[in-house]
Amino acid sequence: DTAVSQTPKYLVTQMGNDKSIKCEQNLGHDTMYWYKQDSKKFLKIMFSYNNKELIINETVPNRFSPKSPDKAHLNLHINSLELGDSAVYFCASSHKTGRLAGGPGGATDTQYFGPGTRLTVL
Amino acid sequence: DAKTTQPPSMDCAEGRAANLPCNHSTISGNEYVYWYRQIHSQGPQYIIHGLKNNETNEMASLIITEDRKSSTLILPHATLRDTAVYYCIVRVLITDKLIFGTGTRLQVFP
Repeated sequence: DTAVSQTPKYLVTQMGNDKSIKCEQNLGHDTMYWYKQDSKKFLKIMFSYNNKELIINETVPNRFSPKSPDKAHLNLHINSLELGDSAVYFCASSHKTGRLAGGPGGATDTQYFGPGTRLTVL
Repeated sequence: DAKTTQPPSMDCAEGRAANLPCNHSTISGNEYVYWYRQIHSQGPQYIIHGLKNNETNEMASLIITEDRKSSTLILPHATLRDTAVYYCIVRVLITDKLIFGTGTRLQVFP
């Protein structure tokens, strides 16, 4: 009964290739996210989508293109992979965004994370 | 940048309470304090969150000082499975960003 799932778990590829990571949540959440955790273990948000609409885009190179076919899925496509893209990518989901959670003073819902996809670019 | 500071590491004996401190002196009046943990190679796991009042759930307790400039996460009876990196996060309002700092690596020993 995995709540947030990602595929693949491991991805090893050559520089210059194009690859996709998939994420699915069965929690009925409206909002999904991608985070990147680099080799120094810093975990940083990349994107968030609410009901298929892009909400957050954190200065990520345009080689990264998230795609949300429906609110239960948020896939991450990466073009022209570079060595620096090697990292663990985590997908997460939550029920609603801060902007929709009653405005200032309203708590945003808890984010639930997937198991991660370890991407290695050779 | 993260708005929190935490000690880089702590040890705790199994069965004892683990008290993890966090400073967030620049927290705004309506920002929440969240705690997550990351067990080796897994995705971050939500633990607890609070605004002003102390909070308790099945995993932990959260004590927030009256001036809200610091908080403490308490694991009442630490087990070996609680060994993880614990992140204290001040939730950015309006956006949904969780800004992770470097966290505290808690090592529970037998």
